[in-house]
Amino acid sequence: SQQGEEDPQALSIQEGENATMNCSYKTSINNLQWYRQNSGRGLVHLILIRSNEREKHSGRLRVTLDTSKKSSSLLITASRAADTASYFCATDTGRRALTFGSGTRLQVQP
Amino acid sequence: DGGITQSPKYLFRKEGQNVTLSCEQNLNHDAMYWYRQDPGQGLRLIYYSQIVNDFQKGDIAEGYSVSREKKESFPLTVTSAQKNPTAFYLCASSSRDRAPSYEQYFGPGTRLTVT
Repeated sequence: SQQGEEDPQALSIQEGENATMNCSYKTSINNLQWYRQNSGRGLVHLILIRSNEREKHSGRLRVTLDTSKKSSSLLITASRAADTASYFCATDTGRRALTFGSGTRLQVQP
Repeated sequence: DGGITQSPKYLFRKEGQNVTLSCEQNLNHDAMYWYRQDPGQGLRLIYYSQIVNDFQKGDIAEGYSVSREKKESFPLTVTSAQKNPTAFYLCASSSRDRAPSYEQYFGPGTRLTVT
């Protein structure tokens, strides 16, 4: 199975609500990254959190990392219809390339 | 404009034919990657290249081939040996100089349909 696994697989919320998605991984990492993919498009890098960091913010995004539990969460606050997309976590183990999870599909209802 | 381009956006081929997907970047990145994405799934690594004239197999390299003759270009050939070639193919690049962060920059993707 993949190094990173997102949970839930799908999430539907109303505009203005917060959206939380989780990522679990199996091996030690250098950093963990979150990407966004609009339907039929390439991925866009959102935020990177290093293994020695516990929390990071970027605009309406908040990422946490718990290396003892090998898990991360992405919180999108005050969601907008334009946030509708798939969100992927990706782990950098320093070996070769990022390993991507299967993603969380977020639907924000206007 | 700096970025990664993939062409074409949509590609249709008959079974048994080889097809080459183009990926070009002008970001001066050393590393380039090819991923495959099936509907509702995550990305699976096909091949990657850390430097010109060198490339390595990823998790699902069977039935694919690549070349890296120029820093800017990393074409992917889907051969007739690939059992299920219909998929969305994504190319990405990253700068190895920005250690320890290796965020990847993605192209818009090529949707390949083989019938």
